[in-house]
Amino acid sequence: EIVLTQSPGTLSLSPGDRATLSCRASQNVRNDYLAWYQQQRGQAPRLLIYGASYRASDIPDRFSGSGSGTDFTLVISRLEPEDFAVYYCQQYGGFPRTFGQGTNLEIK
Amino acid sequence: VQLVESGGGLVQPGGSLRLSCAASGFIFKSSEMNWVRQTPGKGLERVSYISSGGSSIFYADSVKGRFTISRDNAKNLLYLQMDSLRPDDTGVYYCAKEGGYGYFDHWGQGALVTVSS
Repeated sequence: EIVLTQSPGTLSLSPGDRATLSCRASQNVRNDYLAWYQQQRGQAPRLLIYGASYRASDIPDRFSGSGSGTDFTLVISRLEPEDFAVYYCQQYGGFPRTFGQGTNLEIK
Repeated sequence: VQLVESGGGLVQPGGSLRLSCAASGFIFKSSEMNWVRQTPGKGLERVSYISSGGSSIFYADSVKGRFTISRDNAKNLLYLQMDSLRPDDTGVYYCAKEGGYGYFDHWGQGALVTVSS
């Protein structure tokens, strides 16, 4: 099983700041099959990024994903108030599909 | 795309529940579907998968032998039969459409399942 470790656990920033979230895999993620999701309080996760760097439909271009192999990054270039949420990475290069434990992006 | 779960609730340990997911806005019969749960103990976990035609099915080890996934393509419905429920099955269960290769591009609003005496 591929274990995904996200860091930091909590990130405290202000609107307008740049956010950098990390997701590290315990082994190589085949084909860079890594997705990122945003979860607002009380809501379902929403797909942001798939294939490590491809934005999902209707996702603003301030969200970008990068990385390959075992190290992946989600960057939010300029934080908007609605971006403060929990972010999860998920790998689908191996079985079982696994998720990271999440990064809580909170307002400083 | 809309996915609407129903059937959650409070059940005693050892009991059963059946979740349903009504799908609309896309070609359901051509789509691979999943149940993903979010629990206090393990976070997000894909518990079951079913192929578009229903011939290929997957279960997480944590639910194998207790949960059964099925679908009715004529009615655009996805099901999860949950038997022998345990307290650590407590959580929110999401119906999730597969976007391709294994990520989840659309999610329902979730159904809360509470297993407690």
